[in-house]
Amino acid sequence: AQSVTQLGSHVSVSEGALVLLRCNYSSSVPPYLFWYVQYPNQGLQLLLKYTSAATLVKGINGFEAEFKKSETSFHLTKPSAHMSDAAEYFCAVSRFGNSGYSTLTFGKGTMLLVSP
Amino acid sequence: DTGVSQDPRHKITKRGQNVTFRCDPISEHNRLYWYRQTLGQGPEFLTYFQNEAQLEKSRLLSDRFSAERPKGSFSTLEIQRTEQGDSAMYLCASSLTRTSGQGEAFFGQGTRLTVV
Repeated sequence: AQSVTQLGSHVSVSEGALVLLRCNYSSSVPPYLFWYVQYPNQGLQLLLKYTSAATLVKGINGFEAEFKKSETSFHLTKPSAHMSDAAEYFCAVSRFGNSGYSTLTFGKGTMLLVSP
Repeated sequence: DTGVSQDPRHKITKRGQNVTFRCDPISEHNRLYWYRQTLGQGPEFLTYFQNEAQLEKSRLLSDRFSAERPKGSFSTLEIQRTEQGDSAMYLCASSLTRTSGQGEAFFGQGTRLTVV
């Protein structure tokens, strides 16, 4: 079975500060990992994905994440936070079932708060 | 607009009533998913279709829930005899089979259901 754990339900940063959102995964097969962002009353938007091509993955809006197999982690970072980054962020792993990789298993989410 | 479209965006219903939601996926996408998201949680998988075939249903999908995707195009999710515990955001997503395992699922804006 595959699962993800996001550490910290809320993270607060000042505008311009480093953003670090933590995600650890558990998977019995090579994982496909993702970060999605959700703005209030909206659906989810894919930020970036790890599909084994490169361990450092760059996404939209200046975000990136590094896959570390030894630590079973896939933390999301951004060097400088912007007010518009305030949203909820979800880490997810692609679930491997009878028909191969199919649906997504999400973490509980981390709300990012950005103060001026 | 060529994204995933969900209707209605909001639904308030009395306990015991039936409700039906509609999802129109991105036109060339053959996979369609339904997820449920409750307050403070990440999305949880309910069911998914490949074309018109319903390939998998989660244990979360009780007998009161039914989903269809006639002709492999739009999909409907019906909840019969709604309960207060059904209050949630219902998210629809779509993808292509060749990229679905890599998490390339595009989400709609969701239908927020409130059962009173």
